[in-house]
Amino acid sequence: DAKTTQPNSMESNEEEPVHLPCNHSTISGTDYIHWYRQLPSQGPEYVIHGLTSNVNNRMASLAIAEDRKSSTLILHRATLRDAAVYYCILSGESGGSNYKLTFGKGTLLTVNP
Amino acid sequence: DGGITQSPKYLFRKEGQNVTLSCEQNLNHDAMYWYRQDPGQGLRLIYYSQIVNDFQKGDIAEGYSVSREKKESFPLTVTSAQKNPTAFYLCASSITRRNEQFFGPGTRLTVL
Repeated sequence: DAKTTQPNSMESNEEEPVHLPCNHSTISGTDYIHWYRQLPSQGPEYVIHGLTSNVNNRMASLAIAEDRKSSTLILHRATLRDAAVYYCILSGESGGSNYKLTFGKGTLLTVNP
Repeated sequence: DGGITQSPKYLFRKEGQNVTLSCEQNLNHDAMYWYRQDPGQGLRLIYYSQIVNDFQKGDIAEGYSVSREKKESFPLTVTSAQKNPTAFYLCASSITRRNEQFFGPGTRLTVL
């Protein structure tokens, strides 16, 4: 399975933008990049996903490098409710595993008031 | 409201007992999944089902069993063969296996 590398933790101030990086140097051509987040003692929540082009939705933006070996989740204005563990995950057709979300330890985002 | 429900939220069992965790969804999703999460760790896939009456083992299926008799329901049984069953169990569903997954609130199982 293709692996991702994320910083263990990051800090931000409320109402400032946050850029959460993810490296995935072994990504294959058919792998999608997914982001989920998890608040303490809750189930993960889908944030965004993309394949090659940058993506935007109401929660966040996903910027994907041209070589697809890295990506960045952008929260445009962090709020206290954005404090969570953010997971960057690859899933794709390789080996028939495109259902599979392999969760690493993620990045713990702390938002300061 | 559409969503995924898991019950109970907290569950305590004695060692050696089988226990069944409930997962129900009213999202009309074909695919359902069970994950396990240990403290400070990511999620690991136990079992998944793409359609009724079909399910496949995930990465850590040993000591667990599932059934998928109805589209809405995907119960997980933690058997006495599971060596370290105390964990946070999460159920998820998706329209198909290629779509984003929606997670339930989880069941925290403690085996005494």
